[in-house]
Amino acid sequence: NAGVTQTPKFQVLKTGQSMTLQCAQDMNHEYMSWYRQDPGMGLRLIHYSVGAGITDQGEVPNGYNVSRSTTEDFPLRLLSAAPSQTSVYFCASSYVRVSYPHEQFFGPGTRLTVL
Amino acid sequence: AQSVAQPEDQVNVAEGNPLTVKCTYSVSGNPYLFWYVQYPNRGLQFLLKYITGDNLVKGSYGFEAEFNKSQTSFHLKKPSALVSDSALYFCAVRDGNYGQNFVFGPGTRLSVLP
Repeated sequence: NAGVTQTPKFQVLKTGQSMTLQCAQDMNHEYMSWYRQDPGMGLRLIHYSVGAGITDQGEVPNGYNVSRSTTEDFPLRLLSAAPSQTSVYFCASSYVRVSYPHEQFFGPGTRLTVL
Repeated sequence: AQSVAQPEDQVNVAEGNPLTVKCTYSVSGNPYLFWYVQYPNRGLQFLLKYITGDNLVKGSYGFEAEFNKSQTSFHLKKPSALVSDSALYFCAVRDGNYGQNFVFGPGTRLSVLP
């Protein structure tokens, strides 16, 4: 299994440009999520999904869109990039069981710089 | 609301000495607690978790963590530190009564000195 994969690894954008960060998992996990990591702030949840066709906002959703058309893929879209979106982005996935908290598996990350 | 605190930004320990990385949490329901490790330019790797039962949880690479309900803590420990343990460590909590999402602490950088 490849686990959780993310592309690209690095990206530089100019303010106002748009782009999509790709995330895929091959573990048939229902739950997928996007986090951003900033120094001293840990990981903050941007958006998440508990299954195909279902998405919801996390702690810091402004400026980002997501969709979940398949179980495997969960792309993150930046519609109009801003310097405040310079960060490292991680995708994660896990099984969903009501009475058992499965750990999340993380991708390698995408380092995004917005100039 | 759920929250996690890691009171130390940095922990330094000599190789061979025991290490402790501290974590305290706040949830309204039953806590599910996790530790992750991040090596430079890598994603997060799962170390261990507490769900219920034994307060001492054993995980990967010789790490263990002690759950203390009265102190709302979940400190990560290892009896003998290795230089290769140097990394960024994150504590996370999921509230058992509040969906699937995790809340992560700010991270603690562990440096093991040879």
